[in-house]
Amino acid sequence: IVMTQTPLSSPVTLGQPASISCRSSQSLVHSDGNTYLSWLHQRPGQPPRLLIYKISNRFSGVPDRFSGSGAGTDFTLKISRVEAEDVGVYYCMQGTQFPRTFGQGTKLEIK
Amino acid sequence: EVQVLESGGGLVQPGGSLRLSCAASGFTFNNYAMTWVRQAPGKGLEWVSLISRSGDYPIYADSVKGRFTISRDNSKNTLFLQMNSLRAEDTAVYYCVKGRDYNGMGDAFDIWGQGTMVTVSS
Repeated sequence: IVMTQTPLSSPVTLGQPASISCRSSQSLVHSDGNTYLSWLHQRPGQPPRLLIYKISNRFSGVPDRFSGSGAGTDFTLKISRVEAEDVGVYYCMQGTQFPRTFGQGTKLEIK
Repeated sequence: EVQVLESGGGLVQPGGSLRLSCAASGFTFNNYAMTWVRQAPGKGLEWVSLISRSGDYPIYADSVKGRFTISRDNSKNTLFLQMNSLRAEDTAVYYCVKGRDYNGMGDAFDIWGQGTMVTVSS
């Protein structure tokens, strides 16, 4: 399954919203009825960290300014008000089929 | 604290071998699938291999199948990656990662190590 993110780069103003899209080449609905789409964030020089799993579930400790939505093949990560610590690269990942696959990454930077 | 810590990276010549280890702590290791994800310098994330909680079901990316072997020792809370016939394109930071789902097959990856660098060069 190929995961395609847009945009690849997103300059944003502090305090303003940001949105990243992720599209899969086929439906991510698993035979168990769940959709295994997750979002990760990687700050420069750091390992990735999980933000969102199963489309819209925030992982432990993730601020509520992060939200995920979507269904089937189209998914979106939204940040309601961007903070300085949100810079870095965001990846979507599908956990429905093997091999697990990631999007190319979207670099979020402050204007 | 839930954490995983990789070791074993280094410089190796093309065709050589290397064994990565990952020590897990802070969670019941044998309840979760574990995986390796790599990241070439300046590039994105690439899933490499996953192993079920019992160790009975290893799964590999096509790019490493037949060259890499994933294994685990649940008595020692440790994950391994044996890498043989290494190529220049295997150069990357290798992350040990915990599967999110209890008793599942890694539908998402929730705990990441700091990574260990593997460089394949003559």
